Amino acid sequence: EAQVTQNPRYLITVTGKKLTVTCSQNMNHEYMSWYRQDPGLGLRQIYYSMNVEVTDKGDVPEGYKVSRKEKRNFPLILESPSPNQTSLYFCASSLGRGPGSNQPQHFGDGTRLSIL
Amino acid sequence: AQSVAQPEDQVNVAEGNPLTVKCTYSVSGNPYLFWYVQYPNRGLQFLLKYITGDNLVKGSYGFEAEFNKSQTSFHLKKPSALVSDSALYFCAVTETGANNLFFGTGTRLTVIP
Repeated sequence: EAQVTQNPRYLITVTGKKLTVTCSQNMNHEYMSWYRQDPGLGLRQIYYSMNVEVTDKGDVPEGYKVSRKEKRNFPLILESPSPNQTSLYFCASSLGRGPGSNQPQHFGDGTRLSIL
Repeated sequence: AQSVAQPEDQVNVAEGNPLTVKCTYSVSGNPYLFWYVQYPNRGLQFLLKYITGDNLVKGSYGFEAEFNKSQTSFHLKKPSALVSDSALYFCAVTETGANNLFFGTGTRLTVIP
């Protein structure tokens, strides 16, 4: 089954404790992206990747890191999480160069992070 | 700069009635427009997209959307609403060659039995 898999689905942690949210897709998609969803703000893009070793900032990259060492994986890293990063996070992937090549994105089921 | 507005946080409609979820956009070039739906505890699912051509776009689950260039709108419609259509709906925009996608704030649709 074609899917985007995120782990963990839920995480409660404390300020300053490094964490990684994994994302894996099995569709051989070139484009991958991370979003955060907050009430009243919709989805905002954190980082995206056009292909292996090619990443770039989205609208809200501060406090986050990503890497793309393999085509299927695109982990999101919070080196020193803070309470304002409490949010619902989504990973997505698509063919080609992503939205600008009119390809729809496939989303994971989300990761709810609570930073205390 | 690209932006999307969904003017209604909440839309209520009776089952069997037509529904409309509104979206307006702003881009400097030619837009690519998308509608996604989000059910509880799930990620977003693609419904339909507008690239070019026919202004009426048909998508999944009986949904369609009408592109209006002069009004810069891309409203989502369905002739007869089902209770199972109740969900959160997002409009999104990008433009040719862009690498990112801008989402609206979402509209919660409730279909009343």
